Order: sequence, then C-alpha cells, then structure tokens
Amino acid sequence: KNQVEQSPQSLIILEGKNCTLQCNYTVSPFSNLRWYKQDTGRGPVSLTIMTFSENTKSNGRYTATLDADTKQSSLHITASQLSDSASYICVVAGGYNKLIFGAGTRLAVHP
Amino acid sequence: EPEVTQTPSHQVTQMGQEVILRCVPISNHLYFYWYRQILGQKVEFLVSFYNNEISEKSEIFDDQFSVERPDGSNFTLKIRSTKLEDSAMYFCASRETQNSGELFFGEGSRLTVL
Repeated sequence: KNQVEQSPQSLIILEGKNCTLQCNYTVSPFSNLRWYKQDTGRGPVSLTIMTFSENTKSNGRYTATLDADTKQSSLHITASQLSDSASYICVVAGGYNKLIFGAGTRLAVHP
Repeated sequence: EPEVTQTPSHQVTQMGQEVILRCVPISNHLYFYWYRQILGQKVEFLVSFYNNEISEKSEIFDDQFSVERPDGSNFTLKIRSTKLEDSAMYFCASRETQNSGELFFGEGSRLTVL
C-alpha cells in the first residue's frame, strides 16, 4: 500500500536552533518527493521538489535530502525563526504523478 | 506572483443544504484539484480535473460531490446535501503540467456543517 509516514508528529524547539524532520515512504512507482509548509488555517506552500536523481535540494534555510534506495527523506531547518512554526508535510508523487500526503510534523518554535 | 484564489474563506451551513465552493486557478494552468483536510488530519485527495472532465476521483468523492468549470476561469466544487462529516477545509490546487512542476494551493475554504 502506498504510504507516507512522518516523524516526529510534533516538535518544539527554541528560536535559532536547527531541526530535522523525517519522512519514510512506500510509494511505488516513485515520481518525485515534495515538502510543503502549512501555516495554521492556510494552504500548503511548496518548499522543495526532488526527483529520483536528486539527493539534496535547498531553499533558503530549508534543506531537503532524498535517499531513493532506503525511501527516506529529511527536511533540515537551519537557524529556526518564530515564523517557521507550522506543519511540514511530505508528499510523494507516485504513478501518474498521483500525490500521497503524509500527516505532517507540527513544528513550534519558541522564543 | 500568480496565485490560486478561493471563495468563500468560511461558510457555515445547515446539514442537508447545498454548498458551492469556488476557485480561480492560475491562468495558464491546465490541471485542477480539490483536496480536503478535516481538522487535525492529513490532506486528502478528492478529485482531479483536466480538459473539462474528471480525470480521477477518490472514494470520498461520492455522488454528493460534483465539480465543473463553467466559464473557463472558475473551478467549483458542489456538495449537494451536506453532512456533519463534510466539515473541513477544502483546498483547490492547480498546476501547469501533470508530470512535473509545482502544485499551487489556494488558501482554502473552511466549511462548517451544523
């Protein structure tokens, strides 16, 4: 069954600290993997898109990694800011580019 | 920057009433989607739409749901007879191509069924 599992479910960090969010997937065939940021009550906003051949991609303080062999991805946030408080959703595109959503990691950055 | 716009931002309705949620996708996009997110749960796919017809729908998208693109710009989701469990955020999304490229989401329409 195509699934996307994220960990941790929630995370609290202090402003300025780094953190890493995990995503494991069992989607096959694999097309691409996306990370989205979703502020409370808002629509998801794309952070990165990675295809099979890409193993790292950065967007400012966000760096995503992909290991297609182990079917794992991570999102690393550097020097966190209060505005990073949000849910981070891992989405894997499978056959016909059908998107499978993870449940998200809820990140809270405290001052 | 182009964006997907949705209206209304919040709608409260009585159980059994019809609801229409509206979306204006990004103008050069060809693929359109509706997703929903029940409070505290993951985003769920409802339906995809291309070339004026449904290309795929999920089990959630039963006979109570319908979509149409009446005038070439608006993309609507209709729920004929709302149920309590239809209460959720409904997100419209669009993208330029099917096989790659960014999927742009609207800000969502919050539906509350009483």
